[in-house]
Amino acid sequence: ETGVTQTPRHLVMGMTNKKSLKCEQHLGHNAMYWYKQSAKKPLELMFVYNFKEQTENNSVPSRFSPECPNSSHLFLHLHTLQPEDSALYLCASSQDLGQGWGNQPQHFGDGTRLSIL
Amino acid sequence: SQKIEQNSEALNIQEGKTATLTCNYTNYSPAYLQWYRQDPGRGPVFLLLIRENEKEKRKERLKVTFDTTLKQSLFHITASQPADSATYLCALESGGKSTFGDGTTLTVKP
Repeated sequence: ETGVTQTPRHLVMGMTNKKSLKCEQHLGHNAMYWYKQSAKKPLELMFVYNFKEQTENNSVPSRFSPECPNSSHLFLHLHTLQPEDSALYLCASSQDLGQGWGNQPQHFGDGTRLSIL
Repeated sequence: SQKIEQNSEALNIQEGKTATLTCNYTNYSPAYLQWYRQDPGRGPVFLLLIRENEKEKRKERLKVTFDTTLKQSLFHITASQPADSATYLCALESGGKSTFGDGTTLTVKP
């Protein structure tokens, strides 16, 4: 059983809709991440939060808006998406970024499969 | 430009053999390298982390090597089993950002 829970697991939306993805971690971690995984492409880091503060925005279009109200919850608000945004969106957490990203394992949720009509 | 390459998109081996997966990188100087396993429809699961000053790391049937001169990491699964069939991802940190390879899908046939 994963310590990182993502909802919904599947989402189909039109290009003009507004929806939100939710991530919750029960591991006591302080760093949280959003990744995009498209078919035949590597995981792409989108956003990083450390102790609720955004530390990384990897040139993500403004139609994706993250929110981190506390260290246990992370949201990704979606609006006016494009067909190329269809992908698996993965949330992850790690202890914190104090010693750098690479020194700690990341714990991933099972993702939200997003389809844009 | 910076690049991470995992040796092949797919690797098929017979049960009981050793699987060897390769992760090559260019224009990075990572202090750490990580390996993950991903099953279809699931998120990646952390397996092993190796530091730049470590040559080798082991965990049960898994072994990872890290050669900063060759800019390469090898991931070995000994006595492979059909349950080891999955996609394996390498990941490294550079400049405070995490970067993943596109994975190698391993199929272990009984």
